[in-house]
Amino acid sequence: AQKVTQAQTEISVVEKEDVTLDCVYETRDTTYYLFWYKQPPSGELVFLIRRNSFDEQNEISGRYSWNFQKSTSSFNFTITASQVVDSAVYFCALGPTTSGYSTLTFGKGTMLLVSP
Amino acid sequence: GAVVSQHPSWVICKSGTSVKIECRSLDFQATTMFWYRQFPKQSLMLMATSNEGSKATYEQGVEKDKFLINHASLTLSTLTVTSAHPEDSSFYICSVKRQGAHNEQFFGPGTRLTVL
Repeated sequence: AQKVTQAQTEISVVEKEDVTLDCVYETRDTTYYLFWYKQPPSGELVFLIRRNSFDEQNEISGRYSWNFQKSTSSFNFTITASQVVDSAVYFCALGPTTSGYSTLTFGKGTMLLVSP
Repeated sequence: GAVVSQHPSWVICKSGTSVKIECRSLDFQATTMFWYRQFPKQSLMLMATSNEGSKATYEQGVEKDKFLINHASLTLSTLTVTSAHPEDSSFYICSVKRQGAHNEQFFGPGTRLTVL
């Protein structure tokens, strides 16, 4: 069975602070994808990143960075110099790499509140 | 631009009525679409996989007679909530799977259903 755990239900920070959102996953698959999505108050899911389990390199995109540690089954997400517009619910998800029937297993999400 | 559209974006109905939600793939043909349900402050839960030209595959615990799915064309899947009750009030999100090596899923903007 697949499982994604986001232990942090809600995080509150002040603008310009750095914040890290944790994600721990469980899977029996040898290859898989990991995702992060942002869900602002409007509700629409915004894709942030997809990482193949083969690729353990950390990734940086602007103020966003991701740390993938296969040894600890974690895929943490850091926002540097947070802004009010970063306020949203962030979901970590796990998915198969096979091209057949595929679905995503989502974590429960972490609500990030960035205050001015 | 948007890859997936949903209509309506929100709907309020009386208990006992049926509501149809449409999910359209705008950029490519999709043999597979997914329907998710998200209760307030909770994660996305997969309800069913919609397969073009065949019956949908429902997740355990989802009533197929209550949540009718029709994937009549390669760009349209519909979810009909029959005899809706207040407990069906939720945010319904569809996603479209693009065939290919990365097996990407694109999410629609969601439909908020409120049953009075």
